[in-house]
Amino acid sequence: DQQVKQNSPSLSVQEGRISILNCDYTNSMFDYFLWYKKYPAEGPTFLISISSIKDKNEDGRFTVFLNKSAKHLSLHIVPSQPGDSAVYFCAARSGGGADGLTFGKGTHLIIQP
Amino acid sequence: EPEVTQTPSHQVTQMGQEVILRCVPISNHLYFYWYRQILGQKVEFLVSFYNNEISEKSEIFDDQFSVERPDGSNFTLKIRSTKLEDSAMYFCASSENGHNLGKLFFGSGTQLSVL
Repeated sequence: DQQVKQNSPSLSVQEGRISILNCDYTNSMFDYFLWYKKYPAEGPTFLISISSIKDKNEDGRFTVFLNKSAKHLSLHIVPSQPGDSAVYFCAARSGGGADGLTFGKGTHLIIQP
Repeated sequence: EPEVTQTPSHQVTQMGQEVILRCVPISNHLYFYWYRQILGQKVEFLVSFYNNEISEKSEIFDDQFSVERPDGSNFTLKIRSTKLEDSAMYFCASSENGHNLGKLFFGSGTQLSVL
């Protein structure tokens, strides 16, 4: 039961361009969404989050957009840098739930010089 | 920057043996978690711990699993009798404010291999 789906296992983007990572969810009880970044041999690192009462949150080069009616969120990275090459996980939680964070399977972002 | 540390980085064990995975959360954090990732699959929630007791647990966290905070700094996950399907990367995490505000800090993980 994939409540959080990241349909692109990998994405290749040229350095300096925009990277757009997508995430869909099915559980309408989710009210808080997060993006984590993971390098090999390291644990996930928190990147940015958004509450369901907002539709956009920005932090430097990273912006997360939430479309609740479509149950879709996206992470934009502008401009993309070589150090952004990593696996990006979308995660969600429901305020009344007891299941911790629900993660997607991740998208491997490769920034090409 | 403070970080969550996990030991060992790799653990190999025989099926049926007990294993203890160790974690030192960030010192001023109050909420502690274990997650795991089976190779090729998503990161899955196991358990959260607050105020010296389990606050949430998933279906994966059955009677074979237990957690403990034996002193002021360590947080451990014990698997009583390991099975082949317990082979995974186990991540410990901690946070100041719990899942409600979401920002968890993860350790680098312990790769558990059950033979």
